[in-house]
Amino acid sequence: GDSVTQMEGPVTLSEEAFLTINCTYTATGYPSLFWYVQYPGEGLQLLLKATKADDKGSNKGFEATYRKETTSFHLEKGSVQVSDSAVYFCALYNTDKLIFGTGTRLQVFP
Amino acid sequence: DTAVSQTPKYLVTQMGNDKSIKCEQNLGHDTMYWYKQDSKKFLKIMFSYNNKELIINETVPNRFSPKSPDKAHLNLHINSLELGDSAVYFCASSLRGDSYEQYFGPGTRLTVT
Repeated sequence: GDSVTQMEGPVTLSEEAFLTINCTYTATGYPSLFWYVQYPGEGLQLLLKATKADDKGSNKGFEATYRKETTSFHLEKGSVQVSDSAVYFCALYNTDKLIFGTGTRLQVFP
Repeated sequence: DTAVSQTPKYLVTQMGNDKSIKCEQNLGHDTMYWYKQDSKKFLKIMFSYNNKELIINETVPNRFSPKSPDKAHLNLHINSLELGDSAVYFCASSLRGDSYEQYFGPGTRLTVT
């Protein structure tokens, strides 16, 4: 079946460092891809999306590019802030279902 | 105004009890979901309702029974609770045509002792 694999966390960075969180997927057909973020004590929020190959999703300084040839959708941010500390979930949408990765915790220190 | 709300936020109960979690959304969405997030943060869909009709029913024990009295509410009733039911349960909602953009509630942390 369809699945999403993310790098294990936690990812620990200093403020203003560059962030990459890796995500790869396995799916039949042509899924849409997403990054969701979960701040402490809250539910998940959609961060960005890409619906077809080579699309780049972006929001709040975060970016991810839908790479069909490598089945990847890595999340990047050029300069992280303490307020970015959260759990990040990569997800795909296929056949009426959102399928999530296991989440990667990001901790940013001043 | 809270978009997707769940009650209670925390629920501690003993094995064998029956409990319910309630969910309400005021976004005008027509589709609602229940997810289970285990201790390792793995998030898995359990059920999905569209306009009060069940459309997704993953392999979930039949001790779990969702009920949707109207399209703004989706409740989850759990019979004969087991230790393995301990988790955070999230409710979410969306429009059927934009089912990938789901709005999540804050979660209910269920602890079974």
